[in-house]
Amino acid sequence: EAGVVQSPRYKIIEKKQPVAFWCNPISGHNTLYWYLQNLGQGPELLIRYENEEAVDDSQLPKDRFSAERLKGVDSTLKIQPAELGDSAVYLCASSQQGAPGDTQYFGPGTRLTVL
Amino acid sequence: AQTVTQSQPEMSVQEAETVTLSCTYDTSESNYYLFWYKQPPSRQMILVIRQEAYKQQNATENRFSVNFQKAAKSFSLKISDSQLGDTAMYFCAFMIGNEKLTFGTGTRLTIIP
Repeated sequence: EAGVVQSPRYKIIEKKQPVAFWCNPISGHNTLYWYLQNLGQGPELLIRYENEEAVDDSQLPKDRFSAERLKGVDSTLKIQPAELGDSAVYLCASSQQGAPGDTQYFGPGTRLTVL
Repeated sequence: AQTVTQSQPEMSVQEAETVTLSCTYDTSESNYYLFWYKQPPSRQMILVIRQEAYKQQNATENRFSVNFQKAAKSFSLKISDSQLGDTAMYFCAFMIGNEKLTFGTGTRLTIIP
């Protein structure tokens, strides 16, 4: 069974440029999460989807960040414009049915560097 | 708000020895889930072990076991017969329902040959 797929693995951009990250969850997983991991810290949730609906986006900085999961499968996270402080690892995770305590499976992440 | 505290930023142990990583958490909820994740240099978070708060029995997965003390809000991870491949960052995490995972700041574990 394929795991959570993310691309790209690395991205270097100039500040004020846009950037997008893509995630394909494990087949059949209805719940998808985007986390932000700063250096030396644990991941923090940006947004959670149940199928195509964003059910928790309270931590997503909506002035510059946006996300979509149009068909309830893969998802894209976008930053426009990027700032120096956005340099971090962006992790995608999925869980099967979103039931209480469901294990979240993580992708390898995208390391973003903003110059 | 829930918080997770890992008080050991770094630990090291000789190969084949046993090591225990500490984790405490704070919540007013009575039903929740606790996890230990491993993050090697490749960055991929890998589930190590999972514990349901309503179960008194401590979870075990091969060489990995937990000591879950609900009243003390403590959830430590014990790694027995440590191997070089256990070298990684270890994160303790907490979840209510199917909501977000709340992570601690991690413990960097190094297994010394």
